[in-house]
Amino acid sequence: GAVVSQHPSRVICKSGTSVKIECRSLDFQATTMFWYRQFPKKSLMLMATSNEGSKATYEQGVEKDKFLINHASLTLSTLTVTSAHPEDSSFYICSARSRDREIDTEAFFGQGTRLTVV
Amino acid sequence: GQSLEQPSEVTAVEGAIVQINCTYQTSGFYGLSWYQQHDGGAPTFLSYNALDGLEETGRFSSFLSRSDSYGYLLLQELQMKDSASYFCAVRFISSGSARQLTFGSGTQLTVLP
Repeated sequence: GAVVSQHPSRVICKSGTSVKIECRSLDFQATTMFWYRQFPKKSLMLMATSNEGSKATYEQGVEKDKFLINHASLTLSTLTVTSAHPEDSSFYICSARSRDREIDTEAFFGQGTRLTVV
Repeated sequence: GQSLEQPSEVTAVEGAIVQINCTYQTSGFYGLSWYQQHDGGAPTFLSYNALDGLEETGRFSSFLSRSDSYGYLLLQELQMKDSASYFCAVRFISSGSARQLTFGSGTQLTVLP
């Protein structure tokens, strides 16, 4: 199946600093990437939809100035958590949709990034 | 908007069969997916139903009834490694981005020896 690589898997940062998370589709072109946030024992909450070459679409309640998303190519999207605070500590997961419609029935997820802000 | 309901917890013993139900409300319904997630890991795709009926993949089967806005995941011959969270997710067409996914709250399956 298609592979999505997310990096880093874990990061600890100080409050007030920024953290960048990368999401790469390794063997397919991803026209759309999605960024989710997940709290312990909870569901995946969609934060934003990232389309290659255009601005991301953010879900209601998600601060676009705090969670900067860049989708510069068909294989890479980045999420930058700016001026991180302890309440931003969470599990962030990306997923990618293939340009090939034949394998569009499933979403391919990255491994996730555990962010801890101290 | 979209909403999904599934049980929060299910417990069963090794070798048993368990069914996890999911009811949903959405406009622009496209299909129902199931994902498995182990603690600390990413969700992995299990199955997808776009049409009514049963889809079988090894020990796992998934069913969809679009008229009832209902589906279920059936796990047979349970193994200890099946202990995980299971999420149903509706794929729907939205104005902003076609075929988005909205996830249910997840069902924590515990398999006992």
